[in-house]
Amino acid sequence: DIQMTQSPASLSASLGETVSIECLASEGISNDLAWYQQKSGKSPQLLIYAASRLQDGVPSRFSGSGSGTRYSLKISGMQPEDEADYFCQQSYKYPLTFGSGTKLEIK
Amino acid sequence: QVTLKESGPGILQPSQTLSLTCTFSGFSLSTYGMGVGWIRQPSGKGLEWLANIWWDDDKYYNPSLKNRLTISKDTSNNQAFLKITNVDTADTATYYCARITAILPYYVMDAWGQGASVTVSS
Repeated sequence: DIQMTQSPASLSASLGETVSIECLASEGISNDLAWYQQKSGKSPQLLIYAASRLQDGVPSRFSGSGSGTRYSLKISGMQPEDEADYFCQQSYKYPLTFGSGTKLEIK
Repeated sequence: QVTLKESGPGILQPSQTLSLTCTFSGFSLSTYGMGVGWIRQPSGKGLEWLANIWWDDDKYYNPSLKNRLTISKDTSNNQAFLKITNVDTADTATYYCARITAILPYYVMDAWGQGASVTVSS
């Protein structure tokens, strides 16, 4: 199985601050990487797919980058509504696997 | 508008079989490249992928659940199903179904249901 190591487990950011979350795959996944946002008590929502493609309707302050085994999600200018859990997920090989998640809070 | 909604028994006892239904609208599982996946999340924990079923009835399972999983679909009624046999307390979780869309060469879980809470308890 491909292991997805996500960091940090939690972080707090001030409004307007830029934050980054990283995922390290245990082997190359050819950009087959998605990022999801999950607000408290809600289902996950797709933010980014194919490592860097923004899902329709997602604010442009969200961006994804990376290649090979290293990928990151950046939020440029933290907003109150961005307080949530974030997960990465690879679809390169079965079984599909998720990162352990990052809890993002407002400082 | 794409919507998915999961339904299940809510509570069941250890060793029973969990049957979940995903009822969806806004897409068809007979469309080339379309799929439905099942994912679960224990309270306060991370996400675990369980199974996918595709428009052509191809199926993939998480081997960590060995032979306990069965995924199926009813295309004419826009439903997908998941059965988990011999449940125990470790199967207590919120179960989600998600649409999988082909944005070639990628397959993306771009719409999720609200989740169905399942508790396994004696």
